[in-house]
Amino acid sequence: EVQLVESGGGLVQPGGSLRLSCAASGFTFSIYWMSWVRQAPGKGLEGVANIKYDGSESYYVESVKGRFTISRDNAKNSLDLQMNSLRAEDTAVYYCARLFGGSGTKNFDIWGQGTMVTVSS
Amino acid sequence: SYELTQPPSVSVSPGQTASITCSGDKLGDKYVSWYQQKPGQSPVSLIYQDRKRPSGIPERFSGSNSGNTATLTISGTQAMDEADYYCQAWDSNTVVFGGGTKLTVL
Repeated sequence: EVQLVESGGGLVQPGGSLRLSCAASGFTFSIYWMSWVRQAPGKGLEGVANIKYDGSESYYVESVKGRFTISRDNAKNSLDLQMNSLRAEDTAVYYCARLFGGSGTKNFDIWGQGTMVTVSS
Repeated sequence: SYELTQPPSVSVSPGQTASITCSGDKLGDKYVSWYQQKPGQSPVSLIYQDRKRPSGIPERFSGSNSGNTATLTISGTQAMDEADYYCQAWDSNTVVFGGGTKLTVL
């Protein structure tokens, strides 16, 4: 069964750090672009970061540049998101998602169940 | 930055056709995907590359994209289709989501 399972969410104070992980199974992880997408409480979806299948390229939404780092370990079928200098506006459910397709056509075809990150004092 | 605009809400009667629009500058030049999200659940891919349906998605869901507007059409809408729907496209290497549309079946 194709599956993505996130972990690492929790409550953190403003300015703090948190590392999210996503364990992939049931597919050849190393050939897919991967992504983190977040959803603030009661709000819509927002793409946070994407990473190429070999880890050689990564892209971020403007609001997290310089604070978040996406990485992957293809040997362990895992995707991470290191979040530093967290702000209240980073509070959201963070989803790990698989990207399917070529340049300009990629679709989020598989989603994890999400992990909640709360930034509050 | 590129923006996608969706109506906040759409209502439809059971068995009727629901249309949810997604607008963006020259959106027809891009590929659009659509996602369904029910309360407390993760999003599910409904449509990709404007009009293709993933395996397991009912035929009543269809998509189109031309000019500045993409449309998700749900034919013979069922009560189980009540959910939030999001369109999505790419602006270079940045993913863009629409604000979402709440579909009410009443």
